[in-house]
Amino acid sequence: GAGVSQSPRYKVAKRGQDVALRCDPISGHVSLFWYQQALGQGPEFLTYFQNEAQLDKSGLPSDRFFAERPEGSVSTLKIQRTQQEDSAVYLCASSLPQQETQYFGPGTRLLVL
Amino acid sequence: QQQVKQSPQSLIVQKGGIPIINCAYENTAFDYFPWYQQFPGKGPALLIAIRPDVSEKKEGRFTISFNKSAKQFSLHIMDSQPGDSATYFCAASYSGNTPLVFGKGTRLSVIA
Repeated sequence: GAGVSQSPRYKVAKRGQDVALRCDPISGHVSLFWYQQALGQGPEFLTYFQNEAQLDKSGLPSDRFFAERPEGSVSTLKIQRTQQEDSAVYLCASSLPQQETQYFGPGTRLLVL
Repeated sequence: QQQVKQSPQSLIVQKGGIPIINCAYENTAFDYFPWYQQFPGKGPALLIAIRPDVSEKKEGRFTISFNKSAKQFSLHIMDSQPGDSATYFCAASYSGNTPLVFGKGTRLSVIA
């Protein structure tokens, strides 16, 4: 079956631009997680949802970062007024209810110039 | 404070060797310990996972050893192959569906 998909796969933005990153979870997966992976580092948690409810956004690095999942399926991570330090791979993962296994998408590589 | 510490940063082994990657955690409330494999340009993929009530788990060529008292766990890859060359991450989370805390990764190269 289809896995987690993310779009775009690559995004180049000029400093100060707003970007929107999309995640399509596996069908039926209730939980959806966003992680940020800097070059040569492990993924770091940003925020997560259970259905449409955002349960934890403690990992979002600043108020320029915003995530939503209005219908409990597709999620969008928005970054306003991008800065060079936002350059990273943004990973989305989804999981079934009551199961710890998280399935990751291929990520969106964001480069801010 | 880094909650999950992983070592070594990089590892080179000959084909057929047994690379061992180690992780240590701080928070005794963690209840789930997975290992992920990541190839360049791809997302992490789950390899194997363990809970603290088990000291060892084996799936195919991959084995996790878990030492609850020492708060350490490790990944062993038996009969390693060049196709195993990738970056490996340990992680930890609380029980239920909660965010993962990852180590910094180990870049493994298996040379023929």
